[in-house]
Amino acid sequence: GQQLNQSPQSMFIQEGEDVSMNCTSSSIFNTWLWYKQDPGEGPVLLIALYKAGELTSNGRLTAQFGITRKDSFLNISASIPSDVGIYFCAGLLYLTGNTPLVFGKGTRLSVIA
Amino acid sequence: GAGVSQSPRYKVAKRGQDVALRCDPISGHVSLFWYQQALGQGPEFLTYFQNEAQLDKSGLPSDRFFAERPEGSVSTLKIQRTQQEDSAVYLCASSLGQGWVFFGPGTRLTVL
Repeated sequence: GQQLNQSPQSMFIQEGEDVSMNCTSSSIFNTWLWYKQDPGEGPVLLIALYKAGELTSNGRLTAQFGITRKDSFLNISASIPSDVGIYFCAGLLYLTGNTPLVFGKGTRLSVIA
Repeated sequence: GAGVSQSPRYKVAKRGQDVALRCDPISGHVSLFWYQQALGQGPEFLTYFQNEAQLDKSGLPSDRFFAERPEGSVSTLKIQRTQQEDSAVYLCASSLGQGWVFFGPGTRLTVL
């Protein structure tokens, strides 16, 4: 099925460092979502973006909806060990009703204390 | 309930066996989605309900896969004559709309 291009695939960083990951698509979306998934759990919604150019923060997380509507990035500042996990971007073309989310393959984040 | 719940959390089936996976969405959420997640991959869409109506089943990989939501709340994903390639985590999600899609913990299916 269709998937978004998410990069990097994995990251190893020191505790306290900032992290940046991004997601690109050949199709436009009108909603971008960022999820975090821990082992054995379902994805947990972190941030939702609805407008091209929108910049939204949730604590140490900041995400932006690209102007072209074909990309988004997620930044994590001052990483801590509990940030470890897999981060997924997901795009949604919401028209008159819900349409399925299209997911990236994920960025696996490892934090070295 | 407080979130989307799924049962069982783990299921081991012998090849050829039928399985049924249950999803209890967040109360009041009209939209319900099923996704399949292979190891190391992002979730992939299977099917979508709005209330009891199955509006999109384009992601179901074969006619062995069947989903229902007869009363517009609880949903069941059934897989008949399971094959090894069906081994994956099956995620259910629900939504009120506008992109706020919440996932359950998933059911990990292993077909031997």
